[in-house]
Amino acid sequence: GENVEQHPSTLSVQEGDSAVIKCTYSDSASNYFPWYKQELGKRPQLIIDIRSNVGEKKDQRIAVTLNKTAKHFSLHITETQPEDSAVYFCAARGGFKTIFGAGTRLFVKA
Amino acid sequence: NAGVTQTPKFQVLKTGQSMTLQCAQDMNHNSMYWYRQDPGMGLRLIYYSASEGTTDKGEVPNGYNVSRLNKREFSLRLESAAPSQTSVYFCASSEEGGNYGYTFGSGTRLTVV
Repeated sequence: GENVEQHPSTLSVQEGDSAVIKCTYSDSASNYFPWYKQELGKRPQLIIDIRSNVGEKKDQRIAVTLNKTAKHFSLHITETQPEDSAVYFCAARGGFKTIFGAGTRLFVKA
Repeated sequence: NAGVTQTPKFQVLKTGQSMTLQCAQDMNHNSMYWYRQDPGMGLRLIYYSASEGTTDKGEVPNGYNVSRLNKREFSLRLESAAPSQTSVYFCASSEEGGNYGYTFGSGTRLTVV
């Protein structure tokens, strides 16, 4: 079946450094790739997304890239801050179903 | 606007008991979803409703049933709870079609003993 692999499962960085999370998807029909941030005990919240006709998108300190040929997409966070500490989920959507990666727990050390 | 509202927030059930998780959205979204979240496994789709009057199975539908009561409400029912159903359950909604993200409810933490 369709799946989304996400790496790394845990990432620890110093405040001010960059963080990169990578995902690979299997379903060629996927055409929408959202990223969600989930703080401890809270609901997942959409932070950025990218559609299949776009290769890169940036929103302040967050950027996403998509390589449809390789079925890879990545989240880049620059100038990390302690409040960026959370679990991040990538996802791939084709039609009504969204498949989520297993998540990356990001720790930003002050 | 409340967004997506889920009740209850916490529940403890004994094995074999039944319960219904309620979800309502006020964003006029056509599509609604139920996910479960287990440690290290991300979010897995249980059931979804593309539009009012339709429901379909997701990745892990066994042991669950759903009802799309109207455009706003989508409930999840456990007929005979099992310890394997201990999880955090999230309801979500989205615009119709494939190019929109989800708005999630605050979740229900369910423990089956």
